[in-house]
Order: sequence, then C-alpha cells, then structure tokens
Amino acid sequence: GDSVTQMEGPVTLSEEAFLTINCTYTATGYPSLFWYVQYPGEGLQLLLKATKADDKGSNKGFEATYRKETTSFHLEKGSVQVSDSAVYFCALSRYSSASKIIFGSGTRLSIRP
Amino acid sequence: DAGVTQSPTHLIKTRGQQVTLRCSPKSGHDTVSWYQQALGQGPQFIFQYYEEEERQRGNFPDRFSGHQFPNYSSELNVNALLLGDSALYLCASSSSRMRGVRQPQHFGDGTRLSIL
Repeated sequence: GDSVTQMEGPVTLSEEAFLTINCTYTATGYPSLFWYVQYPGEGLQLLLKATKADDKGSNKGFEATYRKETTSFHLEKGSVQVSDSAVYFCALSRYSSASKIIFGSGTRLSIRP
Repeated sequence: DAGVTQSPTHLIKTRGQQVTLRCSPKSGHDTVSWYQQALGQGPQFIFQYYEEEERQRGNFPDRFSGHQFPNYSSELNVNALLLGDSALYLCASSSSRMRGVRQPQHFGDGTRLSIL
C-alpha cells in the first residue's frame, strides 16, 4: 500500500543554517504530496503542497519539489529561524481534498539561537 | 470564522472504559475525518464521515466507531479502552463541494487521551 518515509530526527541546527528534511514515498499513480507542521501543543498546519510531477510548493521560505523519478519530496529552507522549531510531517493523498492522508513518522526540528 | 474545534482538549480514562470525543468542522465543510497520533508518530487515519455515513475506514478495530450529525459535527467513540489507545486524536474537515486539493483538509488542535 501507499506509504511515506521521512528522515528520522531529531534535527538540531543553528539559526540561519540551511535545512533539508528528506522524504520519499511509495504509491502508484500520481498522488498529491504535502508537508505539514506541528508546533508544540497544537494540531497540524499545512505548510506546502504539490499536486503533480515537477511542481514546487513553497511557503514561509520553505520549498519542496515533487520528483516523480526519485519518488521524493524533500523539504528545504535556506535560513532557518528559532521560530521554525517544530515537528514536520511529509504526507500524501490520492484523489481529492477529502481523501485520507497518509503521513510519515515526523521529523523534530530544533533551532539554536 | 471558526476553524475546526475539538472537545475536550484533555481526557484521562482507565482501561475498559468508554470515551466520546467531539469535533465541529470548519464553517462550510461537510466532511470529517479522524486520525490517531501516538506519541512520536505520524497521524494514522481512523475513518471519515460524509452525509452522516462512514465513507472510508483505516485499519482500526470495531471498538472505534463514529457518528456524524445533520449539522456536520462528529463524534468518535472508543469502547473497552486499552493502554495503547493513549494518543492525540485529531479531527480534520473538508468540503465535498471543493474539488481537487486546492482546498486542503483543516485540522483541529486535537484531544489528548491518556489511559491509566
């Protein structure tokens, strides 16, 4: 069945460092791909999404490109801030906005001032 | 415009008891999905309700059941609670009238359920 595998954490970086969190997926066809973020004590917020191959999703300085050939959707940010400390989840959904979402196990990111 | 609201925020139960969690979807949304997030894990899909019926179900036992009301709000019921049911339970809502993924699912802040 469909699945998502993402880089295990925790990841600790200094402020202004470059961030990459790896994510690969297994699915037939062309699922939609997402990155969600979860701040302490809160639910999930959609960070960015891509719906077809070669699409680039971006938001708040974060970017991820849908790579069909490598089945990947790596999250990147050029200069992280302390406020980016959170847990990041890579996810996929097959058909529409109402379809179930399959999540990776999450990567905890901590940014040192 | 209120987003997805869940109640209660925290709950403590003992093994064998039953629990009911509640969710009110975002205004304009008619579809509700429930997810279980164990500590340190990603959310796992439990089931989805639309038009007051269960439309999709994940790999969860029959102890997990739900309901959707005419106003689109939903309940998640868990019977015969086990220690392993301790988790954050998330509700997400979406609109069947919005095709495609331009309008993603919106998540509530969850209910933290602890089983003693």
